[in-house]
Amino acid sequence: AQKITQTQPGMFVQEKEAVTLDCTYDTSDPSYGLFWYKQPSSGEMIFLIYQGSYDQQNATEGRYSLNFQKARKSANLVISASQLGDSAMYFCAMREGVKAGGYQKVTFGTGTKLQVIP
Amino acid sequence: ETGVTQTPRHLVMGMTNKKSLKCEQHLGHNAMYWYKQSAKKPLELMFVYSLEERVENNSVPSRFSPECPNSSHLFLHLHTLQPEDSALYLCASSQDVFLGGGAYGYTFGSGTRLTVV
Repeated sequence: AQKITQTQPGMFVQEKEAVTLDCTYDTSDPSYGLFWYKQPSSGEMIFLIYQGSYDQQNATEGRYSLNFQKARKSANLVISASQLGDSAMYFCAMREGVKAGGYQKVTFGTGTKLQVIP
Repeated sequence: ETGVTQTPRHLVMGMTNKKSLKCEQHLGHNAMYWYKQSAKKPLELMFVYSLEERVENNSVPSRFSPECPNSSHLFLHLHTLQPEDSALYLCASSQDVFLGGGAYGYTFGSGTRLTVV
């Protein structure tokens, strides 16, 4: 079973509108964390936002917010006031488990391609 | 230079060649990672290093050989590759291996686009 599921291969949004990118996850670990990364066409993955499983409040970073619904195991990314520069691939990721040396593996989803229309 | 730098940006190699990918970080991080990104597949973790010690080898074929001489540099030595190894290879770093980078996440390089012919 996939650990991270992103069901939207592609999305379109009008400039200045808000958009929600979906992410669901699967884990039995009580301590985990969720991330969103952006990958423009240049290839570099850019960290956007993080939510820990014990965090009570939804994470926010500027125009990005993470809608964390623990019971539903969902961690959707909301981008407000979309800009042309937001056009990119967006990846949801999760850290879980503790391995030797304290390392926690990070698993990524397949991504959603967002295109912002002028 | 700042951030994570990967060289070369593009690489075309024959199946019998030997080449190396280089990653360098100027962030003072203690953990470094290699990921493989193929089209329409999730990022695949390959190797994890913490303070120059390998802590994860994610069942990667032996034709990929990592090397971490110090906490700032990471190499991926390639030999006898197959066409299915063509992909974008991403290097990343974080302060340490705990919490997946936590509130700061991983810092990635721009990747090396590898084509095996």
